[in-house]
Amino acid sequence: NAGVTQTPKFQVLKTGQSMTLQCAQDMNHEYMSWYRQDPGMGLRLIHYSVGAGITDQGEVPNGYNVSRSTTEDFPLRLLSAAPSQTSVYFCASSTRDRVSVSGSRTGQYFGPGTRLTVL
Amino acid sequence: GNSVTQMEGPVTLSEEAFLTINCTYTATGYPSLFWYVQYPGEGLQLLLKATKADDKGSNKGFEATYRKETTSFHLEKGSVQVSDSAVYFCALDQTGANNLFFGTGTRLTVIP
Repeated sequence: NAGVTQTPKFQVLKTGQSMTLQCAQDMNHEYMSWYRQDPGMGLRLIHYSVGAGITDQGEVPNGYNVSRSTTEDFPLRLLSAAPSQTSVYFCASSTRDRVSVSGSRTGQYFGPGTRLTVL
Repeated sequence: GNSVTQMEGPVTLSEEAFLTINCTYTATGYPSLFWYVQYPGEGLQLLLKATKADDKGSNKGFEATYRKETTSFHLEKGSVQVSDSAVYFCALDQTGANNLFFGTGTRLTVIP
């Protein structure tokens, strides 16, 4: 298994440009999420999905769109890039813990990240 | 609401020293608790987890015990190595919620 893959690894955009960050997982996980990591702020949830065709907003969704047409893929779109979107972006997936009586999720599996700079 | 408060760093230790990184949480119900580690230039990796009170998670010499009475999940290691230098994140996953709540991370540097 490749786990969670993300492309590109690095990207530089100009203000106002749009782009899509790709994320794929081959573990058949139902849950997928996008986070951004900024210095001193930990990870903040942008959007998440609990299954194909279902997405919802996280803590910081403005300026981003997502879709989940398949279980495997969860792309993140920046509609009109702004310098405030300069960050490191991580995609993650998880599933239900089959041995947990409480129905809790497994830990999340993270991709390697995309470092985005918006000039 | 749900939140995680993590010991601020950075933390610098000599090799073979004892490590404690404090983590406390606020949650309704019975969350699962996690420690993640991030090595330079990489994504986060799950280090250990605990899903109910009094559970102890352990991995690679690291341990953390889920303490409901003190709402804590402190990370410990008896003897750190240079290779343990990384950023450590405490996190909470609330069953029924669709978010993983992270602490702000603690940078650990181990010097030979």
